Amino acid sequence: SAVISQKPSRDICQRGTSLTIQCQVDSQVTMMFWYRQQPGQSLTLIATANQGSEATYESGFVIDKFPISRPNLTFSTLTVSNMSPEDSSIYLCSAVTGDTGELFFGEGSRLTVL
Amino acid sequence: DQQVKQNSPSLSVQEGRISILNCDYTNSMFDYFLWYKKYPAEGPTFLISISSIKDKNEDGRFTVFLNKSAKHLSLHIVPSQPGDSAVYFCAASAGTASKLTFGTGTRLQVTL
Repeated sequence: SAVISQKPSRDICQRGTSLTIQCQVDSQVTMMFWYRQQPGQSLTLIATANQGSEATYESGFVIDKFPISRPNLTFSTLTVSNMSPEDSSIYLCSAVTGDTGELFFGEGSRLTVL
Repeated sequence: DQQVKQNSPSLSVQEGRISILNCDYTNSMFDYFLWYKKYPAEGPTFLISISSIKDKNEDGRFTVFLNKSAKHLSLHIVPSQPGDSAVYFCAASAGTASKLTFGTGTRLQVTL
C-alpha cells in the first residue's frame, strides 16, 4: 500500500490566480496520476505525471492550464492556472504501486474559486 | 461518453441486510474492475477488484460479481453495517497498469 499526502487540503482562491497542489507518497511508486472530481460527477483523469518528463494529458486538459511536475518517484505537483469558478473542484493525487493495479488516493484538495 | 455507468445515484439499506451496487460498462477492452469507497472529505480507498478471467471475487463481507457478456458488475455487501455508508465508485481499466475510468458513484446509506 501507499500513503499519499496532499496539501493544501482546501483553499479559497480568487479568479485569475494560480494554485499549486503538492503530493507526497511515502514509498516509490510506478505511476502517479491527477484526478478531478467536480460536484456531483465522477473522478476524471487529468493527466499521468511522468517522472522527469512532461506529463501525459487526457483529452480536454492542457499543460498551460494544468502544469504538472514530477521530479522524483515520490513527489508531484499540479498547478491550476488562471483559475475561474469552473475550476472549483476536488483535485486528487493518486499512485499505483507494483503491478496489482490498485490505485491509492490522497485525501484530496478542495478548491473553491470565487 | 460515459464508459462506466452507475445508474443508481443512491441506495438505502437496513443494517444487517444485503447491499447490492451495480455498474455497467461499454468498453469491451476493459478487463480489470475495481470498487472504491469514499467518505466525505477523504480520498477514495480501494475496496475490492476482479479480473475478467474470474466471475466472482470475495473478501470478507464484500463480493464482486462480473458478467462479461452483459458488461455488468455488482458489489454485494453482506451484512451491511452503518460504517459502510459512503459513496462507492466502480472503476475499470484495460490491463492492471492502465488508467482507470470511473463511474459517477452510488451513495449508500445503511440505516439502523
